Amino acid sequence: GIQVEQSPPDLILQEGANSTLRCNFSDSVNNLQWFHQNPWGQLINLFYIPSGTKQNGRLSATTVATERYSLLYISSSQTTDSGVYFCAVGRRGSTLGRLYFGRGTQLTVWP
Amino acid sequence: SAVISQKPSRDICQRGTSLTIQCQVDSQVTMMFWYRQQPGQSLTLIATANQGSEATYESGFVIDKFPISRPNLTFSTLTVSNMSPEDSSIYLCSGGETGPSNYGYTFGSGTRLTVV
Repeated sequence: GIQVEQSPPDLILQEGANSTLRCNFSDSVNNLQWFHQNPWGQLINLFYIPSGTKQNGRLSATTVATERYSLLYISSSQTTDSGVYFCAVGRRGSTLGRLYFGRGTQLTVWP
Repeated sequence: SAVISQKPSRDICQRGTSLTIQCQVDSQVTMMFWYRQQPGQSLTLIATANQGSEATYESGFVIDKFPISRPNLTFSTLTVSNMSPEDSSIYLCSGGETGPSNYGYTFGSGTRLTVV
């Protein structure tokens, strides 16, 4: 399979702070997604971003496919941003379409 | 992107029994998957649910333990059979399309299973 490494594993922030989460992957991909898992276990799709840059409100993401990494930026963090952020990729050339998940970044935002 | 309804959202089951989890998608999707997330861990793929044929299981997962059905392009079920406390996990279904897509895969809300 494809290896997906996320850093940092844990992040603790004060409300209002900015942060950057990183995802490195070991092979060419045709799919890269960032998910937020809330405390109730629900997995929310934040970005589909196999390449390029996207922004959605306080969140933005950049994927540099040629260098095999992606970054998720969270600005002006809020307590509701707390949870686990997962990066998941689909390998280029795979006909199965499955996602490979990283171990996640546990984000805690304090008021 | 597809919206997936999953039920039940949680259950507490006796060991040795079975539980069937259902996922309904609001539109036809080519691909559907079932994942398991053990406490404090990442997601592990159980199998790819194939419409009209047997599911494709990942290493370590077998059909007798996790039978899967997918009768059409909008619906799938996962059964956790002969449960033991080690099966206590969150089970999630996912769906979407292969190839270029604006949205990728989406997930159901998950089933939190506790086996006692």
